[in-house]
Amino acid sequence: AQSVAQPEDQVNVAEGNPLTVKCTYSVSGNPYLFWYVQYPNRGLQFLLKYITGDNLVKGSYGFEAEFNKSQTSFHLKKPSALVSDSALYFCAVRPAGGTSYGKLTFGQGTILTVHP
Amino acid sequence: GAGVSQTPSNKVTEKGKYVELRCDPISGHTALYWYRQSLGQGPEFLIYFQGTGAADDSGLPNDRFFAVRPEGSVSTLKIQRTERGDSAVYLCASSLKRGANTGELFFGEGSRLTVL
Repeated sequence: AQSVAQPEDQVNVAEGNPLTVKCTYSVSGNPYLFWYVQYPNRGLQFLLKYITGDNLVKGSYGFEAEFNKSQTSFHLKKPSALVSDSALYFCAVRPAGGTSYGKLTFGQGTILTVHP
Repeated sequence: GAGVSQTPSNKVTEKGKYVELRCDPISGHTALYWYRQSLGQGPEFLIYFQGTGAADDSGLPNDRFFAVRPEGSVSTLKIQRTERGDSAVYLCASSLKRGANTGELFFGEGSRLTVL
């Protein structure tokens, strides 16, 4: 069975500073990895994904994430945080291949707060 | 509408009652998913439909939970003999089949169920 760990319940960062939200995973075989964001009173929104290829993937709103197979990590990063980035962030995983298409396993989420 | 629509947005019921939650996916999306999100947790997979059939219902917690999608569009999640532990936000998501294969899901805002 697969699992995702987001070791930080909360991350606080000043506007303009770089941010990192951590994620580690466990899955049989190769992983498909995802980041979703949840703003207050809004549905979950897809941010970015790693399927194959370049370990550094870029997504919406200037976010990027780096896949590290040896450390089984997929940390979310942004070079310069904005107050509007404040939200709840979820990392998710599913095994590559097979037929478990939309069956994602999510982490418990990390609240990101960006201070002015 | 343009997004995934879920009704009701809030439902309060009494222990033992029957509840139906409705999901109207994005037009043209053949894949539909139900997830459940308890307070402070990430979403947990319940069931996945490809067209009218349930392709994977391994996440349904017990036989009190059932979901249908009779015409391949709107889906209803049905919960019988509700228990206090069923209280959660029930999320619906949809995707194109290609998106299903790579995990890019479009989520609704959820139906918050409270069982008293």
